[in-house]
Amino acid sequence: GAGVSQSPRYKVAKRGQDVALRCDPISGHVSLFWYQQALGQGPEFLTYFQNEAQLDKSGLPSDRFFAERPEGSVSTLKIQRTQQEDSAVYLCASSQFGQVNQPQHFGDGTRLSIL
Amino acid sequence: QQQVKQSPQSLIVQKGGISIINCAYENTAFDYFPWYQQFPGKGPALLIAIRPDVSEKKEGRFTISFNKSAKQFSLHIMDSQPGDSATYFCAARESGNTGKLIFGQGTTLQVKP
Repeated sequence: GAGVSQSPRYKVAKRGQDVALRCDPISGHVSLFWYQQALGQGPEFLTYFQNEAQLDKSGLPSDRFFAERPEGSVSTLKIQRTQQEDSAVYLCASSQFGQVNQPQHFGDGTRLSIL
Repeated sequence: QQQVKQSPQSLIVQKGGISIINCAYENTAFDYFPWYQQFPGKGPALLIAIRPDVSEKKEGRFTISFNKSAKQFSLHIMDSQPGDSATYFCAARESGNTGKLIFGQGTTLQVKP
């Protein structure tokens, strides 16, 4: 497809388990973002990649959160030892790079529920 | 620290009416202000965006008004339709290399037929 693709769409895990969320950005998009959206709230920035380089991880809430984009395309967000407060929708967005008004295109997210 | 504040939290408008959503920001180091529309179970979709050197931008039924001195901007939806019922988010892009977006809390719009 032409858009940002995220998988799985839904993930249920028990507290303490590790989870991995995948993002396939739009082909050719240099910039990739991860956001966390709690129920009834706006998305909150987690981390940013420019190609394979993670240039900003200031939004990651703890060292249990880890993101990678080893070949500058697909990205994975990993959460270790999940907690109930990690329950949220995790959104991935990608954009071209270079101009200020390059829009960020969002996927439909992964809804993570921690039991 | 909430850098982008959005109001109202919810809005009910009759079909054909005007929907108005307001946002205010606190950080002057923003260089781009998009509005996103989100339907349940879907990701945010870009609706319209403006740069701070422009006071107004119109695309079809959607208009952004921007007041740089007041650090406020608003979305106007003219001739609102039931299909416009969704959650709307304003956002501000931080200047610099990352370009991360800071989102408002969202406004749930219901357009009654």
